[in-house]
Amino acid sequence: DQQVKQNSPSLSVQEGRISILNCDYTNSMFDYFLWYKKYPAEGPTFLISISSIKDKNEDGRFTVFLNKSAKHLSLHIVPSQPGDSAVYFCAASAMDSSYKLIFGSGTRLLVRP
Amino acid sequence: NAGVMQNPRHLVRRRGQEARLRCSPMKGHSHVYWYRQLPEEGLKFMVYLQKENIIDESGMPKERFSAEFPKEGPSILRIQQVVRGVSAAYFCASSSGWPTNSPLHFGNGTRLTVT
Repeated sequence: DQQVKQNSPSLSVQEGRISILNCDYTNSMFDYFLWYKKYPAEGPTFLISISSIKDKNEDGRFTVFLNKSAKHLSLHIVPSQPGDSAVYFCAASAMDSSYKLIFGSGTRLLVRP
Repeated sequence: NAGVMQNPRHLVRRRGQEARLRCSPMKGHSHVYWYRQLPEEGLKFMVYLQKENIIDESGMPKERFSAEFPKEGPSILRIQQVVRGVSAAYFCASSSGWPTNSPLHFGNGTRLTVT
């Protein structure tokens, strides 16, 4: 039972263009959403988060959008850089158990120079 | 990732042996969380510990696995009589308390291989 789904296992984008990574969830109790970035042989690194009271959160080149009615969130990276090449994980939790993150299976982003 | 220290980074065990994975939380943190990542999957929550207490072990497999966080020293994830199916990357995160407004920050993990 996958409560958080990342349906695209991989994405390839030209440097300077926009990268859009998508994530869907099924549990309506989720109210806190995060994106993590992971390089090989390292731990996941926190990127950006959003709570369910917002529909957008921005931090530099990274913007997360939340559509609660569709149970969908997306991460936009603009402009994409080669150093952004990594695996991106979407994660969700309920505020009363925010330590119990439910992760998607990840999307491997390749930014081509 | 800076601050949460995990060792060893790589661990190879033969079937039937024991594996001990260590996690030293960030300075000042007394709450530790263990997650596991199987190949081609996302991370999965295993257990949440405070010093000398297990708070939530709802993600721990019923067999082989145990965890502790003693008053002194690192948190230990122990896997007894390992089998190939426990080969995975094990990650630890820490916080100063819960609830916390901060997202979890993970260590670099221990990659366990069972031969």
